[in-house]
Amino acid sequence: DQQVKQNSPSLSVQEGRISILNCDYTNSMFDYFLWYKKYPAEGPTFLISISSIKDKNEDGRFTVFLNKSAKHLSLHIVPSQPGDSAVYFCAASVGNFGNEKLTFGTGTRLTIIP
Amino acid sequence: DTGVSQDPRHKITKRGQNVTFRCDPISEHNRLYWYRQTLGQGPEFLTYFQNEAQLEKSRLLSDRFSAERPKGSFSTLEIQRTEQGDSAMYLCASSRITGVGRELFFGEGSRLTVL
Repeated sequence: DQQVKQNSPSLSVQEGRISILNCDYTNSMFDYFLWYKKYPAEGPTFLISISSIKDKNEDGRFTVFLNKSAKHLSLHIVPSQPGDSAVYFCAASVGNFGNEKLTFGTGTRLTIIP
Repeated sequence: DTGVSQDPRHKITKRGQNVTFRCDPISEHNRLYWYRQTLGQGPEFLTYFQNEAQLEKSRLLSDRFSAERPKGSFSTLEIQRTEQGDSAMYLCASSRITGVGRELFFGEGSRLTVL
């Protein structure tokens, strides 16, 4: 049962344009959402997060939007740069006794075209 | 380097052999997690420790897998009688109990190839 879904395995975007990565979840208990970025042969690196009490969080070129009623979140990267080419994972957790166990999606490979 | 450190980075073994991976978390972090990632999938939770106590194990963690964190610092993940299906990237992550965010900090992983 895939509780966190990333339905687009890959995405190609022109350099300088906006990249939009999408994520859907099914578990209504999730109350914290994160995006991780992964380069080949490296571990995932934390990018940005959002609590369920918010609907938007922004950090530089990265903005995460959360639509709780639709159980959907998205990551916007603008402007996209070649160094953004990586696999992006959406993850979610439940604030249960402070255990931050993360449930991950299957990832979206983003390719930025120069 | 103050990040999460994993060793070895890559292990090739024959089916039936035992392997052990080590993880050194960020020093002030008291939570330590093990995840497994296979090709085309996201990381999947295996187990986690708070200090030296192992608090949760996934059903993915069969009897052939054992994890320890003897002094609440580094952790080891042992796989006995390896099978080809164990081939994966084994990721360790750590976090603090207190803090604003709930992000986990991952190491670079230990890639296991079972021939």
